[in-house]
Amino acid sequence: GENVEQHPSTLSVQEGDSAVIKCTYSDSASNYFPWYKQELGKRPQLIIDIRSNVGEKKDQRIAVTLNKTAKHFSLHITETQPEDSAVYFCAASERGTGGSYIPTFGRGTSLIVHP
Amino acid sequence: DTEVTQTPKHLVMGMTNKKSLKCEQHMGHRAMYWYKQKAKKPPELMFVYSYEKLSINESVPSRFSPECPNSSLLNLHLHALQPEDSALYLCASSQDWSGTEAFFGQGTRLTVV
Repeated sequence: GENVEQHPSTLSVQEGDSAVIKCTYSDSASNYFPWYKQELGKRPQLIIDIRSNVGEKKDQRIAVTLNKTAKHFSLHITETQPEDSAVYFCAASERGTGGSYIPTFGRGTSLIVHP
Repeated sequence: DTEVTQTPKHLVMGMTNKKSLKCEQHMGHRAMYWYKQKAKKPPELMFVYSYEKLSINESVPSRFSPECPNSSLLNLHLHALQPEDSALYLCASSQDWSGTEAFFGQGTRLTVV
């Protein structure tokens, strides 16, 4: 099965700085890489995703890059704001033994943005 | 409607109780998932239903019993739980095609006493 490693586990930045979170995956068959943001006590919500036929995707202050050869992908947040403080999970999605596409999550990064 | 709705939001149950968690989506998604999440940990996959059939059971103890009555509903029946089963239980759904997003419900916060 898929194994997703995520670093760092905690990231503390000043407001306005950039934040980068990195993930690696093990299964070359994985073809979809979502990033979820989870605020305390709330559900994970998709913030950006990338498919294996794309190397980079950007949405305002958030960007994701994918290196299929090296099997790693990264989340970049620019001009961070206090409301960006949350836990961020990367995931890699592959077809499981039952035929369904299963997202495997990284361990999460707790991002703290200091005003 | 892009919502996955879970009920109840909070549940406290004794170790001898039987209760059920419910999940509903009306997005036409054909894959539905149950995840368990402990504090400061990632969601941990429990079950996957694809086209209303159980396709994955991640070696979950039999005190958790999933049910998919139809394509919009997913239940998780609970019986004889242990205090260590206390967690946030998340339901999710997706189109079950390559490269599609999983939408999560807001979860049920379960406490076993």
